Amino acid sequence: DAGVIQSPRHEVTEMGQEVTLRCKPISGHNSLFWYRQTMMRGLELLIYFNNNVPIDDSGMPEDRFSAKMPNASFSTLKIQPSEPRDSAVYFCASSLKTGGNQPQHFGDGTRLSIL
Amino acid sequence: SQKIEQNSEALNIQEGKTATLTCNYTNYSPAYLQWYRQDPGRGPVFLLLIRENEKEKRKERLKVTFDTTLKQSLFHITASQPADSATYLCALDMAGANNLFFGTGTRLTVIP
Repeated sequence: DAGVIQSPRHEVTEMGQEVTLRCKPISGHNSLFWYRQTMMRGLELLIYFNNNVPIDDSGMPEDRFSAKMPNASFSTLKIQPSEPRDSAVYFCASSLKTGGNQPQHFGDGTRLSIL
Repeated sequence: SQKIEQNSEALNIQEGKTATLTCNYTNYSPAYLQWYRQDPGRGPVFLLLIRENEKEKRKERLKVTFDTTLKQSLFHITASQPADSATYLCALDMAGANNLFFGTGTRLTVIP
C-alpha cells in the first residue's frame, strides 16, 4: 500500500514568493496533520484536519500560512509571502482517526529553503 | 510550561549492548505515549504505543516502560545492531487534545 505522499521533496525559492506544499494521505485515513521540523524546535504541529475539516490551527505561525483539505485524498500547505525563517522540513502525516492512541504515518517531507 | 525532554541529543553504544533512551515530560497528563524512529531524510516511523495503565510493552527487541508518577518513559533496544542507528522520538497526547506532542529526539549510533 502507498504511504503518505508529499510533493515536492525539495523546494528552493526566493523570499517573498508563494510556496505550496502538497500531501496525499493514506486512503481511508480520516485525520491529517501538518508538521514543521527544525533543529532548534524539533517537530511542531501546525494544523490538523479531521474528515477534511480543520480542527486545530493554533500552531500555524502567522497569517502567511494557510492550509486546505478540499477532499479526503489531498491537502495543501501554502506560505505567502515566504521568508527565510520559514526554511525547515515540512511533514504531512495521517492516521485512521484522531486520538492519542492512533499511530501517525508520515510522509518523507518537503525540505524548504527560502533564500 | 509544558516540556518533553529526551535524555540527550546523541547516544553512542557498542553493538550487542542494550540502548536505553529516556523521555521525561512536565505539565502533561498523557493517556498514551508513542515512540517513533526517524532516519536521515525520512519521516518518523511509528514503533510502539503504551497506555498510562500499562507499565511495560514489548515488541521483538524493543521494550517501553511508562511511569506516570515519575513522568517518564524508557525505551530499550536489546542486542543493538548498527541498523538501529537513527533518531528516536517520543510523543504523547494531552487530555482534551487529539494530537501528539513530540520530543526533540535522541540520535542513537550503534558502533560495530
